[in-house]
Amino acid sequence: DTGVSQDPRHKITKRGQNVTFRCDPISEHNRLYWYRQTLGQGPEFLTYFQNEAQLEKSRLLSDRFSAERPKGSFSTLEIQRTEQGDSAMYLCASSLGGVGETQYFGPGTRLLVL
Amino acid sequence: GESVGLHLPTLSVQEGDNSIINCAYSNSASDYFIWYKQESGKGPQFIIDIRSNMDKRQGQRVTVLLNKTVKHLSLQIAATQPGDSAVYFCAENLPSGGYNKLIFGAGTRLAVHP
Repeated sequence: DTGVSQDPRHKITKRGQNVTFRCDPISEHNRLYWYRQTLGQGPEFLTYFQNEAQLEKSRLLSDRFSAERPKGSFSTLEIQRTEQGDSAMYLCASSLGGVGETQYFGPGTRLLVL
Repeated sequence: GESVGLHLPTLSVQEGDNSIINCAYSNSASDYFIWYKQESGKGPQFIIDIRSNMDKRQGQRVTVLLNKTVKHLSLQIAATQPGDSAVYFCAENLPSGGYNKLIFGAGTRLAVHP
């Protein structure tokens, strides 16, 4: 399978714990995006990488959230001191870039904070 | 798996009928529009796209219509099948500081009955 992959698919944690999610984009894609999706809503943009550089962060991304893409390939999203409001689906997408680029999404990581 | 879009508007159709899903978008500067299909527990799957300089584009069993005057997008699915049952999101691509920011609509659940 050469699509976007994410790990884990599901994560249950207690409030206050830290969690880290991983995204492996399509191999030739230089752009990588993280989104958050809550039940009944469309995905909301969190952050964007061009190769290893994080070029944009949404206001939704509080200082408890950090994302990295150290070698311009896979990316991690860490949430520190999780809160119940962080419960959501975290989606990763990748694209080749350019005008009219198509973002291809991974299966997501479903986070439940108890 | 979990349910995507518990309280979304629902379009119910009979198998074999044509489906039309509508979407209103927000930004006149958006240059590209995409329809995604999301099944329960999965990430959004690309269906079809259209650039802002077009008003119609056809794929296999799907057609997207764009009316920029009223900022309206529609997805037509011909001969709807049970496998088409999912939540459908439109997304507008808003060029933003050198990257492409996808803004998703609220989504519509399509329920196909045999």
